[in-house]
Amino acid sequence: DAGVTQSPTHLIKTRGQQVTLRCSPKSGHDTVSWYQQALGQGPQFIFQYYEEEERQRGNFPDRFSGHQFPNYSSELNVNALLLGDSALYLCASSPGHYNEQFFGPGTRLTVL
Amino acid sequence: ELKVEQNPLFLSMQEGKNYTIYCNYSTTSDRLYWYRQDPGKSLESLFVLLSNGAVKQEGRLMASLDTKARLSTLHITAAVHDLSATYFCACPQGGSEKLVFGKGTKLTVNP
Repeated sequence: DAGVTQSPTHLIKTRGQQVTLRCSPKSGHDTVSWYQQALGQGPQFIFQYYEEEERQRGNFPDRFSGHQFPNYSSELNVNALLLGDSALYLCASSPGHYNEQFFGPGTRLTVL
Repeated sequence: ELKVEQNPLFLSMQEGKNYTIYCNYSTTSDRLYWYRQDPGKSLESLFVLLSNGAVKQEGRLMASLDTKARLSTLHITAAVHDLSATYFCACPQGGSEKLVFGKGTKLTVNP
């Protein structure tokens, strides 16, 4: 049984560019959350998707947007990249509401 | 807004010694999670604590939860080098599914 998968593993972009990160949830999970983890910090909640809608959002600007597809996979889009967007982006999935979240391996984004 | 604080943030200990990591949270939460993270890797779930007085043990790690004191502890017994990692605690905020994490405790176990 595959766990949460994310792609790509690493990504290098320049300031002002746009990036799309992808996540496939664990089998049987329908809820996907995204977190940003800056170096030396704990993960920060970006948003959560359920039934193809953004259900909850953290304190991130509108440059951060997402999407969930009918197969429950999800994308995180970041526009107008800033140097401060460099981080490990973690996707987590869970079955339904208010259940334990399982984290994927992450995508390391570097903005130059 | 929920705040989660861990201490210490850095912990260097010798193999064979015992130590405790503390996790305080500022508002009521009915569950608490502990995760382990190795350098450059993702989060590995260690414990899910669901009720006041809950205690869970796995190998040399034992976690407990006191919801009245808003405190969880992660106790390390007879540390070994393989336990070197960063440990995070996290709580869901206000009945939501947004997890709020502490800053992490970087544990180094020296031979």
